[in-house]
Amino acid sequence: QKEVEQNSGPLSVPEGAIASLNCTYSDRVSQSFFWYRQYSGKSPELIMSIYSNGDKEDGRFTAQLNKASQYVSLLIRDSQPSDSATYLCAVNRMDSSYKLIFGSGTRLLVRP
Amino acid sequence: GAGVSQTPSNKVTEKGKYVELRCDPISGHTALYWYRQSLGQGPEFLIYFQGTGAADDSGLPNDRFFAVRPEGSVSTLKIQRTERGDSAVYLCASSPLGQAGGPVRTGELFFGEGSRLTVL
Repeated sequence: QKEVEQNSGPLSVPEGAIASLNCTYSDRVSQSFFWYRQYSGKSPELIMSIYSNGDKEDGRFTAQLNKASQYVSLLIRDSQPSDSATYLCAVNRMDSSYKLIFGSGTRLLVRP
Repeated sequence: GAGVSQTPSNKVTEKGKYVELRCDPISGHTALYWYRQSLGQGPEFLIYFQGTGAADDSGLPNDRFFAVRPEGSVSTLKIQRTERGDSAVYLCASSPLGQAGGPVRTGELFFGEGSRLTVL
C-alpha cells in the first residue's frame, strides 16, 4: 500500500462546477497535509496546507482534513479552465517535517 | 534570480555515462532538497541539505547517486553509471529554515522547473 493514495483521474468537471479531489494516507503519525498544483511540464506549487481536523478555506479553495479517517480533500469552487492541472497531495511526519511524501496526483480537467 | 534555477533543463545521455545536475536555490534559503519525479508519479524525496551538510540522504536509490552543496548555496546531484531506470525529472527545491530544522512554513517548498534526464 502506498503511503499517500490518490485517484489518478482525469476528473472532468464543467466550468463553474465544484471539483472535489480526494487523498488518503496510511501513516497515522502524519502531521501536516498539503496540496500542490502542477501544470503540465511545470514544477509543483503549494496552494493549500492544513494541520488540524476540519475545513480551511482560501479563496475558491477549501481543504478538509479528517485524521480519524486518514482522509484529506480539496474542493475547488467555481472551477475555471485555468484550474486544469494535476493536484498532488503531500504529507509529512513530525520526526521528519522537512520530508514531503507525495501521492501520484489527480489530473483535473475543467471543460469550458 | 527570483526562483530556483536548475540546469540543464534537458539532458540525454547513454547508459553507463556520468551526469551532473545543478541547482541554484533562492537566495537566503538555507534548506535545499532534491526530488525525483517519474512519469505519472508524484515527486519522490532523495536528499535534504541544511546548509552545507546532507541532513538526510535516505532517499538516494543507491550508491551511484551522490549530491553535494559545498558552500551552502548551489548544489550538484551526481549520477554515476547511469541506467535507463534513472530517466525522470529531477526537481530541486529550497525553503527558509525554521526553528525545528524544517521549512519556516512547513511544507512550503519552492521548486525549480526540473532537469529532465533521459538515459538511452
